[in-house]
Amino acid sequence: AQSVTQLGSHVSVSEGALVLLRCNYSSSVPPYLFWYVQYPNQGLQLLLKYTSAATLVKGINGFEAEFKKSETSFHLTKPSAHMSDAAEYFCAVSANSGAGSYQLTFGKGTKLSVIP
Amino acid sequence: GAGVSQSPSNKVTEKGKDVELRCDPISGHTALYWYRQSLGQGLEFLIYFQGNSAPDKSGLPSDRFSAERTGGSVSTLTIQRTQQEDSAVYLCASSPPGATNNEQFFGPGTRLTVL
Repeated sequence: AQSVTQLGSHVSVSEGALVLLRCNYSSSVPPYLFWYVQYPNQGLQLLLKYTSAATLVKGINGFEAEFKKSETSFHLTKPSAHMSDAAEYFCAVSANSGAGSYQLTFGKGTKLSVIP
Repeated sequence: GAGVSQSPSNKVTEKGKDVELRCDPISGHTALYWYRQSLGQGLEFLIYFQGNSAPDKSGLPSDRFSAERTGGSVSTLTIQRTQQEDSAVYLCASSPPGATNNEQFFGPGTRLTVL
């Protein structure tokens, strides 16, 4: 079984400031980890994914995340926030369910606000 | 290319009515997932289809929920005798063959409101 905890349901940062969104996971098998972004009234868009190739993963729009097995974390960062980054961010873990399904287990989401 | 499409985008129904939600996955994608996004429960897995294999229905919340996938492509999620707690956004996602890292491509969702 797997689970995801996102610390902070709402994060506010100033434009140009560092963005840090926290994600901790629990998985009984080596996980695949993902960050998705959701803009209002839209579906989920993949930002980046960890699939064991490299612990530091770079994604779209300047985001990156570092997989830390010892801390069971996969925090999302961006050096400088832009107004267009305002959205809801979901961390997710995937592992084979044993029935062939790799369904995603999502965190509750973190809504990012960017203050001009 | 075309992404995952879902229809309708919005559906308002009365309690007790049946509804059908449709998902068209990306062409060539063999895996198809349904998820539900609600205020109280967040994003939850509902059901998974892979090719001609038996679906994984472990996430369906009750026997009022069912889904089928015809010809390995289009999928329909049916909710019978809808209840107010079924109000949510229903998201469909698909994955290409061999994607064991499970990158899923999501549709825009269907917002269901049960009055």
